[in-house]
Amino acid sequence: GQNIDQPTEMTATEGAIVQINCTYQTSGFNGLFWYQQHAGEAPTFLSYNVLDGLEEKGRFSSFLSRSKGYSYLLLKELQMKDSASYLCAVSLPSGGYQKVTFGTGTKLQVIP
Amino acid sequence: DTAVSQTPKYLVTQMGNDKSIKCEQNLGHDTMYWYKQDSKKFLKIMFSYNNKELIINETVPNRFSPKSPDKAHLNLHINSLELGDSAVYFCASSQDVNRKTGNTIYFGEGSWLTVV
Repeated sequence: GQNIDQPTEMTATEGAIVQINCTYQTSGFNGLFWYQQHAGEAPTFLSYNVLDGLEEKGRFSSFLSRSKGYSYLLLKELQMKDSASYLCAVSLPSGGYQKVTFGTGTKLQVIP
Repeated sequence: DTAVSQTPKYLVTQMGNDKSIKCEQNLGHDTMYWYKQDSKKFLKIMFSYNNKELIINETVPNRFSPKSPDKAHLNLHINSLELGDSAVYFCASSQDVNRKTGNTIYFGEGSWLTVV
């Protein structure tokens, strides 16, 4: 089976840096997504990593280590609006297509 | 302008009823999905269609029947609704040109189904 693990909840202070970890054990691997989901809304795309290393996109960065089955999402200069759930998802090969399987999500609360 | 749109947004219905959720995407994508998000916020894939063909069918009760009349539409019909079907159902789409480039999934706004 596929196993994708993330912490359930995290709390961080406005202006600080927070790292949300994700570990995965899957049969097959295309790449790893991070999505943001505000309460009552749809998930929205943040990043996609295929190769090992860090990819930076403004205040958000995502890191991948394929050999370790590990990724993290780094959020800098936290703002109150960053309070949301962050979903790690693995793209798996599936008969020539992709099957994207999500982790349970990490609910991040940013406090003043 | 909405890329992936689904209706209705809210649906309250009684046990035993049959209901449908409609989904349309105007992104020109080849692949569409239905995901279910339960009360614990776990997002789980149910079905995936590529150009009207079923390509992913997870372990879902056969009371759930997807229908794709064309590649821009994927509807979900649910028979004999049960209390446990209460959840948020998200329609989504992606362009499966090359799996290595990251086929980003774009989600609709969700349909909140409550079975009473």
